[in-house]
Amino acid sequence: GAVVSQHPSWVICKSGTSVKIECRSLDFQATTMFWYRQFPKQSLMLMATSNEGSKATYEQGVEKDKFLINHASLTLSTLTVTSAHPEDSSFYICSARDARGSGKGQYFGPGTRLTVT
Amino acid sequence: AQTVTQSQPEMSVQEAETVTLSCTYDTSESDYYLFWYKQPPSRQMILVIRQEAYKQQNATENRFSVNFQKAAKSFSLKISDSQLGDAAMYFCAANSGGYQKVTFGTGTKLQVIP
Repeated sequence: GAVVSQHPSWVICKSGTSVKIECRSLDFQATTMFWYRQFPKQSLMLMATSNEGSKATYEQGVEKDKFLINHASLTLSTLTVTSAHPEDSSFYICSARDARGSGKGQYFGPGTRLTVT
Repeated sequence: AQTVTQSQPEMSVQEAETVTLSCTYDTSESDYYLFWYKQPPSRQMILVIRQEAYKQQNATENRFSVNFQKAAKSFSLKISDSQLGDAAMYFCAANSGGYQKVTFGTGTKLQVIP
């Protein structure tokens, strides 16, 4: 149980275009989902907290107009990178918190590798 | 705010031997959880072990155990009988607050030598 999927697993897009990444909790409800960014050989950096039915909470330094987050249902959150540039190339990971228990931690998706050319 | 510190960027261990990865943390919360996550080359984050701060007993999961020293804010991971499949990045993490945000350490790369 507690599986989180991400789609796509990798994507290449041209500079200036937008790309959407989906994060789904497959067998549990997630009122809260998190989006992370990970650069090579570095730790996970929290970008934003996504709450179902409300606006996302962004971490300091993260541009909310560039990284649009929508959490429309208890099993789906999307991250849209708008007007992507090469510096947005990174590994994006989502996680979902099981609504049944605060101490259960988070379950992570397999990540999405974004390359902007 | 909370911080998590891992002071060992890399560690190595002989297969079948035991290794301990260090982690210290700081938090102003009284109710929090601590985790060790493994990230293999596939980059999928895998939960290794979890510790509730209010529990004094150290958590164990098969070959993995922790040494939780609450007063010292220390949370080390011991891997016994190391296997080749244990080679990965290991992240220590702390979880607290209303939305249960997780703060990660910088990671320790573990190499297992056959």
